[in-house]
Amino acid sequence: DGGITQSPKYLFRKEGQNVTLSCEQNLNHDAMYWYRQDPGQGLRLIYYSQIVNDFQKGDIAEGYSVSREKKESFPLTVTSAQKNPTAFYLCASSKPLAGGLDTQYFGPGTRLTVL
Amino acid sequence: AQSVAQPEDQVNVAEGNPLTVKCTYSVSGNPYLFWYVQYPNRGLQFLLKYITGDNLVKGSYGFEAEFNKSQTSFHLKKPSALVSDSALYFCAVRVPLTGANNLFFGTGTRLTVIP
Repeated sequence: DGGITQSPKYLFRKEGQNVTLSCEQNLNHDAMYWYRQDPGQGLRLIYYSQIVNDFQKGDIAEGYSVSREKKESFPLTVTSAQKNPTAFYLCASSKPLAGGLDTQYFGPGTRLTVL
Repeated sequence: AQSVAQPEDQVNVAEGNPLTVKCTYSVSGNPYLFWYVQYPNRGLQFLLKYITGDNLVKGSYGFEAEFNKSQTSFHLKKPSALVSDSALYFCAVRVPLTGANNLFFGTGTRLTVIP
C-alpha cells in the first residue's frame, strides 16, 4: 500500500446522507484516481485527476464528486444521488510518464456500507 | 473497445506445484499489461507489467508473466506456489496515449493454494 492512506477503513452511512472518503499520498505523484470494487467485478473508474485543480469523470461518476485542492489529497464524496453506494472504494496514484508508462499504486481501501 | 478477460473465477493449486492465472485482452493498439494482487480487505499491490521488449516479464514475489501477442494473452505464472500466494489476482490493460482513464481491469481470479 506504500505511501497512500485512505480513511476511514470502514464507513457506515444512512440513506440520504453524503459521506466523504479521504485519500492522501506522500509519493509526490501528480495523478490520482478513485475506483469502485464490487464482488465479482473488476475495478471501475469513478474520477481521476492528473493535476491540482483539475479532474475528469471516469466510467461511473454519477452520484459522486471530488476535489483536488492539494497535490497530496483527493477526497471523494458519495452523495445521496448514488443509488447503490455499498462497495469497496480504492484510491490510487501515479507519476505520469510519457506514453502511459506509469504504474498506478493503490491505497488500502475504504469499505462503505449503507444501512 | 478495450477489454480484459480472466476466464477462471477460481484457481486451486497444491503447494509446491506451478501455478498459472490466465488473462486475455482485446485492444485496438499495442497494449501495456499489468498484474495486481489483492489480499482480503486490502488494496491492490502491483506485481509486474509488460511495456515492450522481452515477452517474459519478472515481477515481485517470484511471479512472472508471458506476453503472447498472437494469442493476445498475458498469463501470470509461478514455478512453485506458496500458501501465502492465496489471494485475488487482477489483470489490467492500458492502451497508450488514449488518456488517463484507460486502465481496464479484468474481473479477477481467486487463487487458492492448498497445503
